[in-house]
Amino acid sequence: QKEVEQDPGPLSVPEGAIVSLNCTYSNSAFQYFMWYRQYSRKGPELLMYTYSSGNKEDGRFTAQVDKSSKYISLFIRDSQPSDSATYLCAMSASRNDMRFGAGTRLTVKP
Amino acid sequence: ETGVTQSPTHLIKTRGQQVTLRCSSQSGHNTVSWYQQALGQGPQFIFQYYREEENGRGNFPPRFSGLQFPNYSSELNVNALELDDSALYLCASRRWDQSNQPQHFGDGTRLSIL
Repeated sequence: QKEVEQDPGPLSVPEGAIVSLNCTYSNSAFQYFMWYRQYSRKGPELLMYTYSSGNKEDGRFTAQVDKSSKYISLFIRDSQPSDSATYLCAMSASRNDMRFGAGTRLTVKP
Repeated sequence: ETGVTQSPTHLIKTRGQQVTLRCSSQSGHNTVSWYQQALGQGPQFIFQYYREEENGRGNFPPRFSGLQFPNYSSELNVNALELDDSALYLCASRRWDQSNQPQHFGDGTRLSIL
């Protein structure tokens, strides 16, 4: 079993749809949770960052962390074609390293 | 504020060769981490450097080594290249005293092994 599981998709939605992206994990020591967006031929770009459990909202993006279920989510409201990218969940327990999911490829069609 | 920059952007090598990849950390960031991202996969942690010393390592063999310089820039060296080393190599940086802050990535070096 991988430490971080993420459905690779691909996921295709029409413009304006609400997108839900999810990851599960097995290591209960994880306490920092991140979502990165990666466009083709680019490095990961930080979207959302959450410490411990709870929700965080930033514009059209909402991140949720449920440590009791070892489950994190990213919601994108009013999705736009420019949101088309690969979304990576990442988490860490310490200063040193992050563990990433495999990434979900999202396409938002005009 | 200058972000993380990596060079070269793309490199082609053959099996058995050695390669050096370079990273300049974001301004004010003294901690550098390297990741390997195979096609269709998430990044995997290779190692982290702080104060010019390795400070944490993932599950990579010793032929993966690194350096950090006094200006916080870093190098990743890979010896005896194998076909499976073909990947995007990412560098990320942050401030050591802000461990509760996430890392910021460069755009990576795409390494192809023939």
